[in-house]
Amino acid sequence: NAGVTQTPKFRILKIGQSMTLQCTQDMNHNYMYWYRQDPGMGLKLIYYSVGAGITDKGEVPNGYNVSRSTTEDFPLRLELAAPSQTSVYFCASSTGNEQFFGPGTRLTVL
Amino acid sequence: GEDVEQSLFLSVREGDSSVINCTYTDSSSTYLYWYKQEPGAGLQLLTYIFSNMDMKQDQRLTVLLNKKDKHLSLRIADTQTGDSAIYFCAVSNDYKLSFGAGTTVTVRA
Repeated sequence: NAGVTQTPKFRILKIGQSMTLQCTQDMNHNYMYWYRQDPGMGLKLIYYSVGAGITDKGEVPNGYNVSRSTTEDFPLRLELAAPSQTSVYFCASSTGNEQFFGPGTRLTVL
Repeated sequence: GEDVEQSLFLSVREGDSSVINCTYTDSSSTYLYWYKQEPGAGLQLLTYIFSNMDMKQDQRLTVLLNKKDKHLSLRIADTQTGDSAIYFCAVSNDYKLSFGAGTTVTVRA
């Protein structure tokens, strides 16, 4: 199993551009999550999903959107990138108790 | 999310024990976790404890939970240079996790 995979690994965006961060898991987990990690901080939950077709906001959802059309994929969309969205983004999946994390996407908005 | 607090730095000599502490506010948390993050990598689950347990031991790792004080600790016995990393405490509520800011552990020879 590949586990949780994320693409791209790195990306630089200009202010106002949009992009989609991809996340795929092959463990047939129902729960999936998106977090951001700012320097010296813990992870903050952006959005999560409890199954295909169901998504909900986390602690810091503003400026982001998600969709969950399949069990495997949980993309995160940034519509109008802002410098405040410079961060490392982690995707995770879970059966309920243990969350497994992807390697992260480092995003810089200039 | 709920508040999860950790000390930011810990320096320990190789071979000694490390103790990383965490406090949290939500007494209804069902599972409490310790994750390890090495530079440039994602989070690796080290161990977790169910809220009705006081202690869990897993090889060099010992987790202690004091529910009354809402205090969680991770003890690493015989700390090695490979243990140098950031350690995150996390608590669960309704399948969502709240993380502390992380404790950077530096192992010196």
